[in-house]
Amino acid sequence: AQTVTQSQPEMSVQEAETVTLSCTYDTSENNYYLFWYKQPPSRQMILVIRQEAYKQQNATENRFSVNFQKAAKSFSLKISDSQLGDTAMYFCAFTLYSGGGADGLTFGKGTHLIIQP
Amino acid sequence: ETGVTQSPTHLIKTRGQQVTLRCSSQSGHNTVSWYQQALGQGPQFIFQYYREEENGRGNFPPRFSGLQFPNYSSELNVNALELDDSALYLCASSRRDFTDTQYFGPGTRLTVL
Repeated sequence: AQTVTQSQPEMSVQEAETVTLSCTYDTSENNYYLFWYKQPPSRQMILVIRQEAYKQQNATENRFSVNFQKAAKSFSLKISDSQLGDTAMYFCAFTLYSGGGADGLTFGKGTHLIIQP
Repeated sequence: ETGVTQSPTHLIKTRGQQVTLRCSSQSGHNTVSWYQQALGQGPQFIFQYYREEENGRGNFPPRFSGLQFPNYSSELNVNALELDDSALYLCASSRRDFTDTQYFGPGTRLTVL
């Protein structure tokens, strides 16, 4: 079974700072996707960024980027120029891709990120 | 393009009752997945439906069942409710191809008394 571990239950940074959230995962498979989702107090889960395991290039989406280390099974999220609206729970998630499509997502326990004004 | 919607927003039931939660997929999506999120935890995968058939299941008992309809909307049914079933239930839709990114609805908060 696949597992996802987020070792930082809570982080707090000042507005405009850069913050990195950690995620490690465990799998013996080779074809999978990794995601970061954001869940603000409104509780709607919002996709932040996606990474295909076969791609060596790290994904970026505006202020959000990942550091994907496949051999180390590490998938950290970097948020640059943090904003108050970035305050939320952040979940790292993993899914296998089995040719016919992706399976259900396996989530970590989340990191509560607080951006201080 | 409409997003994923879920109903109802909140629901209160008593132990032993049955409940049905509903989800409408995002336009163009043919796969629906359901998750249970207990307070302070990450979501747990319940099951996935593709072309009206269950296509994968997490570690949940048979009293959790579902349906997918021809328009790709879906229902989650839970029988014989237990106190531990109190949680946020999330529905996610996706397009079953190489993209396969799941987009979530706002969730239904179920409280079992």
